[in-house]
This record gives sequence, structure tokens and C-alpha cells, in this order.
Amino acid sequence: DAKTTQPNSMESNEEEPVHLPCNHSTISGTDYIHWYRQLPSQGPEYVIHGLTSNVNNRMASLAIAEDRKSSTLILHRATLRDAAVYYCIFQGTGNQFYFGTGTSLTVIP
Amino acid sequence: GAVVSQHPSWVICKSGTSVKIECRSLDFQATTMFWYRQFPKQSLMLMATSNEGSKATYEQGVEKDKFLINHASLTLSTLTVTSAHPEDSSFYICSARDLNNSPLHFGNGTRLTVT
Repeated sequence: DAKTTQPNSMESNEEEPVHLPCNHSTISGTDYIHWYRQLPSQGPEYVIHGLTSNVNNRMASLAIAEDRKSSTLILHRATLRDAAVYYCIFQGTGNQFYFGTGTSLTVIP
Repeated sequence: GAVVSQHPSWVICKSGTSVKIECRSLDFQATTMFWYRQFPKQSLMLMATSNEGSKATYEQGVEKDKFLINHASLTLSTLTVTSAHPEDSSFYICSARDLNNSPLHFGNGTRLTVT
């Protein structure tokens, strides 16, 4: 399995930055790191993905460690709509994507 | 952006009947589609990976004769739950990608309830 490890839950105050960590020590040199988030009773939503360099888009930033064994998803200003379960995943050797337990983010008004 | 449409969004069926769930990529060609199952308060569990025109690859413990997957075109994959039983009640989610290293695009899921 392509295994990732994330904290089960995190809290953030509204309009504060949030750093969501992920460990992926078995990732290969050519696998992208993907982040998705899921609201209850919905399919996951793409957030961001990257290979080596830090990545930015309108939703978030992705900071990837130099050894690529960990990464951090950064939400610059958390809003109530950012409350969700966040998953980091990468592609396994057989082209599959396996989900770990994810991090349930609570945003406090 | 890339859109994946999944239908139906919910279905209730009687035990012993079969249910078909469709997954369509609306604005891109999906070379690979994935089917997941999610039980309440749990993560997504990969059931199978399907490539257009070839047989699906099932994960260990997933019965291929019970969960029939057909990926007949680059925009459509179907999952048929045959002889459904109450323990098959779950949230089924499909996803698709067009190219390697591109992100996955997910459908909104199908809530299956077997009575």
C-alpha cells in the first residue's frame, strides 16, 4: 500500500493559518503528493498536488520536505467552509491511490 | 475544471436485487477510473481500478463477481452491485484521471441502502 500518516484531528481559529502535516516515507522519487478534502456525504475535492517544489494555488500552498518524506498543506486563512477531512495520498506501485485516515479539521469561529 | 458525474446520488433497493452505478467524465477522457467504498466515519477504501477496454483490477478481499465493473469507453465506467445485501449498504465513490501525474477527479458519490 502507498501509506500516509496524518494526525486524526486538528483545530484552528477562523482567519488563522493552518498547517496540516503528512508523512509519506515510502514515496518514490517520481510520485506526486496529492491533497484532497471531503465534506460529509460528498466526494473528495482536489486541493493541490506537487512533486518536489513548493506549490501554490488559490486554495492552499503545499510545502514538500527536501527528502520528500513529508509535506505540509497550508491554508493561509482558515474559514468555516474549510472545515473538512483532509487527505494526503500518493500513487502506489500498481497505479492505485490509497486513502489513510485523514485529518479532520475543525475551524472555530 | 474536470468534472466527474456519478449517478444515481442515492438508491434504495431490496435484498437480492442488483444495482448499477454510473460514473462519467464530462469534459475529459478518463484512461483510469477508481471505485471506492466508504462506511460511516471511515476513510475511503479502494475497491478496484479500471482502465478503458481492459478488465478491472480488484483489491484483495473485494469479490469481482459481486462488484462488476465495466469501463467500456473513455468517459464511462459502471459498477454493478449484484445480489445486494444489507451489508453492502455504503457510500460508493468513483474517481477518474486522464493522464499520469494529473490529479484525481471525484464524483459526488452514491448512497446505497439495501433493505
